[in-house]
Amino acid sequence: QPVLTHSSSASASLGSSVKLTCTLSSGHSHYIIAWHQQQPGKAPRYLMKVEGSGNYNRGSGVPDRFSGSSSGADRYLTISNLQSEDEADYYCETWDSNTWVFGGGTKLTVL
Amino acid sequence: EVQLVESGGGLVQTGGSLRLSCAASGFTFSTYGMSWVRQAPGKGLEWVSVISGKGETTYYADSVMGRFTISRDNSKDTLYMQMNSLRGEDTAVYYCAKTLRYISGWIDSWGQGTLVTVSS
Repeated sequence: QPVLTHSSSASASLGSSVKLTCTLSSGHSHYIIAWHQQQPGKAPRYLMKVEGSGNYNRGSGVPDRFSGSSSGADRYLTISNLQSEDEADYYCETWDSNTWVFGGGTKLTVL
Repeated sequence: EVQLVESGGGLVQTGGSLRLSCAASGFTFSTYGMSWVRQAPGKGLEWVSVISGKGETTYYADSVMGRFTISRDNSKDTLYMQMNSLRGEDTAVYYCAKTLRYISGWIDSWGQGTLVTVSS
């Protein structure tokens, strides 16, 4: 089954941009992944799916400050014009026939 | 608008049982697979189980296989999780989640969660 590895914690200033990385394990580089945001004390929220081609589709109501991209086994989430409410844990997710997998998450701090 | 509302969490002793429920609205419930995902205190997300739209197919994480049973009642638009032989490591917030398709695809909606605490 696939394994998802996140980049380490990240921090960026208000109004700047940040790029988070989720890496698929060997043999799974073509998998589609989904990004989810979890603000402190809240339930997760679906943000978007990202394909190996780099195509991405945001979920309903997700601001266009959030975008996705891809390179090889890496799937990216870029957040532009950072807002204070973007401070959260971000998880990637994928599935394979009979199992669903989450990465360990990346904590984003907005300075 | 998709809404998922969990209930049934609480404090239970080690070895005890609990049944979680998730009331769904805003979409054709029987058309989509549904999952349970949990999050232990201070930890990341862990997928627990999934059930197909009509309930004929179920899958489980190894950590709960043989102890947890997922089910659904499409006449009531409700998802369930029967949890038996509970252990301390089952302590977590349990989220109900909708998958993109009948039994596959990523999660595209989440409930607000219900806390299960297993104590000796």
